This record gives sequence, C-alpha cells and structure tokens, in this order.
Amino acid sequence: KQEVTQIPAALSVPEGENLVLNCSFTDSAIYNLQWFRQDPGKGLTSLLLIQSSQREQTSGRLNASLDKSSGRSTLYIAASQPGDSATYLCAATVHNAGGTSYGKLTFGQGTILTVHP
Amino acid sequence: NAGVMQNPRHLVRRRGQEARLRCSPMKGHSHVYWYRQLPEEGLKFMVYLQKENIIDESGMPKERFSAEFPKEGPSILRIQQVVRGDSAAYFCASSPLRGPYNEQFFGPGTRLTVL
Repeated sequence: KQEVTQIPAALSVPEGENLVLNCSFTDSAIYNLQWFRQDPGKGLTSLLLIQSSQREQTSGRLNASLDKSSGRSTLYIAASQPGDSATYLCAATVHNAGGTSYGKLTFGQGTILTVHP
Repeated sequence: NAGVMQNPRHLVRRRGQEARLRCSPMKGHSHVYWYRQLPEEGLKFMVYLQKENIIDESGMPKERFSAEFPKEGPSILRIQQVVRGDSAAYFCASSPLRGPYNEQFFGPGTRLTVL
C-alpha cells in the first residue's frame, strides 16, 4: 500500500527566501507525482506533474524533482513571496493490486507554508 | 474552457438526511474521481468513474454512499442518512483520458456540514 509523507508539516519563512518542501513515498513503482497548492477553504491547483520517466519539472519559480530509487520528491520555491502562503500537497499515482493503475492519487498530509513580509 | 464545477459549494444537512453533491468535469473530460478531505486529515480517494461506469470504488464506504456518472449530466455523489462523521470537504477531479499518466484537474469542492 502506497503511503506518502510530507515534511515539514509547517514552515514559516521571510519573504525572498528560497525553500524546499519534501515528499517521500513508500512504493517506488509510481506512475507519476503531482504537486498541488491549496488555499484555505479552496480547491486544489495543480502546480507540477512529474512522470516516472522524468527527473524534474519547472514552472516559473517552482522546480520539482523526482528520485524514484530513494522514494523522494522535492518542491523548490525560489524567491518566496507572501502570495505563496498556502498548503502544498504532493500526491502519487498508485498501482492497483493487479499492477495496473486507474490514476487514483494518494496524498500526503501537506506542508503549510507561511511567507511573511 | 471552464474548469471543473462543483455544486453546491456549501451544504448543510441534519443527521439522517440525504446529501447530493454534483460535479461537472472539464469540457472533453470523461473521467471523474471523487476525494474526501476530513478535518485535520489528508485527501483520500473514494471512487473513479467513467461515463455510465464505476471503475474503482475501493475507497468508498460500503454503506450509505453511492456515485454515478450518467451519459448526460454531472457526476453525483450521494450520501444517504448522513451522520456527523460525514462532515468534510468533497472534491472531484476530472481527466481527459484513462490511465495513470494523465493530470487530474480539481474542482473547488463541496463542504458538507452535518448538524
């Protein structure tokens, strides 16, 4: 059974700092890993999706890496801004018992990020 | 191209009543996933549907919960005889194709409160 863990649970940084959020998963046979942002009381916004054959993806100030062998993914945020304050979730696409996948996601508990001016 | 739509955004029910949550996927998407986010817990998969078919309902409670995705209209998650423990945010996501490599796009969620 796939389990996804995110550390730290919460992070507070001053504006302008570069930061790294960590995600680990127990089953290295994932199909892809997706990073999301969730604002309080709102839905999920997809930030980056890394397929299992890829090592990293970049979008603006965000860079996500994937190391299947160690069961880890990191989300790097450069030059953080107060508007980046949100909960960040990582989610892995898992296998079914038969080794296939219907694409359902297993989520971590999230990292609550606060960027203060 | 509108995103995934969910309604209502907020729903209040008394214990024993029924709750119906609706999800309209993005245009051109025929695959829908439902997830539940309980207070202080992470999101958990409930059910995966294609048009007129339930593909995987392994995360859905066996009793009181049902889901459908008819040929026409939105996907519906139905909770009968709600209890306080059903209070949560329910999210649906849609995807254009079947399979694990396709990105899922999430709706804003329905927040269910059971009194």
